[in-house]
Amino acid sequence: GDSVTQMEGPVTLSEEAFLTINCTYTATGYPSLFWYVQYPGEGLQLLLKATKADDKGSNKGFEATYRKETTSFHLEKGSVQVSDSAVYFCALSDRVSGGYNKLIFGAGTRLAVHP
Amino acid sequence: GAVVSQHPSWVICKSGTSVKIECRSLDFQATTMFWYRQFPKQSLMLMATSNEGSKATYEQGVEKDKFLINHASLTLSTLTVTSAHPEDSSFYICSAPDLGIPRTDTQYFGPGTRLTVL
Repeated sequence: GDSVTQMEGPVTLSEEAFLTINCTYTATGYPSLFWYVQYPGEGLQLLLKATKADDKGSNKGFEATYRKETTSFHLEKGSVQVSDSAVYFCALSDRVSGGYNKLIFGAGTRLAVHP
Repeated sequence: GAVVSQHPSWVICKSGTSVKIECRSLDFQATTMFWYRQFPKQSLMLMATSNEGSKATYEQGVEKDKFLINHASLTLSTLTVTSAHPEDSSFYICSAPDLGIPRTDTQYFGPGTRLTVL
């Protein structure tokens, strides 16, 4: 079945460092891909998404490009801030006909940014 | 954006008791809600899809008699863990999909409920 694999954490960076969190997926069809973020004590929030190959999702300085050839959707940010400390989840949308799409999640990667 | 709440945020119970977890959409209607379970350092796993006015749809391997779901209204879904045991201890998260037109794949998540069964 469909699955998502993302790099294990925690990832610890200094403020203003470059961030990459790797995410690869396995899917039989053409899923939409997502990055969700969970700040301490809060629910998951959609960070960005891409719905087809070569699409780039971006939000709050974060970017990820849907790469069908490498089945990847790596998350990047050029300069992280302390406020970016959170858990990041990569996910794909498993299309189910006639109903809402199910989300399949990676294990999550904890990011800690220090001043 | 849309807000989903859960209550309680954490609960500790004795083995053999039942625990009810509520999921509410605060500023929108949700005819469908999803219930996930998350073990420490693991993925969110979809347990079931809750449908207002009809029976829930359970994922393979999830015991429907163990995890009772009731979608009582357009803003409330409840998950009851019956006869809870220590192996049911986990983080339970609900979500509601965006009902906008055109339909998107966006889901709004609650903050989760941590259940500990002694």
